[in-house]
Amino acid sequence: QSVLTQPRSVSESPGHSVTISCTATSTAVGAFDYVSWYQHHPGKAPKLMIFDVTKRPSGVPHRFSGSKSGNTASLTISGLQTEDEADYHCCSYAGGYTWVFGGGTKLTVL
Amino acid sequence: QVQLQESGPGLVKPSETLSLTCTVSGDSVSSDSLYWNWIRQAPGKGLEWIGFVDYSGNTNYNPSLKRRVTMSLDTSKNQFSLKLWSVSAADTAVYYCAKQSGYNNWFDPWGRGTLVTVSS
Repeated sequence: QSVLTQPRSVSESPGHSVTISCTATSTAVGAFDYVSWYQHHPGKAPKLMIFDVTKRPSGVPHRFSGSKSGNTASLTISGLQTEDEADYHCCSYAGGYTWVFGGGTKLTVL
Repeated sequence: QVQLQESGPGLVKPSETLSLTCTVSGDSVSSDSLYWNWIRQAPGKGLEWIGFVDYSGNTNYNPSLKRRVTMSLDTSKNQFSLKLWSVSAADTAVYYCAKQSGYNNWFDPWGRGTLVTVSS
């Protein structure tokens, strides 16, 4: 079982908002301040969407936002578009210059 | 624009060694404070961080794989490599290489990945 727990799948309609959670089940991730999120379309390179919990790289639409409450980090996508349909992975620094990932969430935009 | 491309055999026999190379363009693998990572995803599973080799050749590995992993740089070819010893079917996965800058706790960019199947 992964140190970071994500729902296996979520679905929502175009134009709506969806939130994907990432819950730390181990204290190995410390204060959980270094969470990143990746969007992965099958067959393509995973793409960084959020880093350091809330920060968005240049070029990533403002529709993507990150947050954290306690031991749960979240990725929210507002104004869903069909091209947002992908797998989403959370990642956290786990100390000792190591990193852990969640199990990934498949987002379906109906 | 930095680009990474994985390459290597797509089929490895059990107990043998998996060897992959990541070719980097748009940056130098020996540039100061850069870390070059390997990450994999087994079928139906989440991503798993394997380890990194840094710009000066120092390494750090996932404790669960540490005994079987070696990573290295080839500055003459601007590449870095992964060797995973004594593989089994559990090592079947898509293997990705990814760049990490400075003391950042994220990976960007990634390669598209290469599927390695362990089977006799």
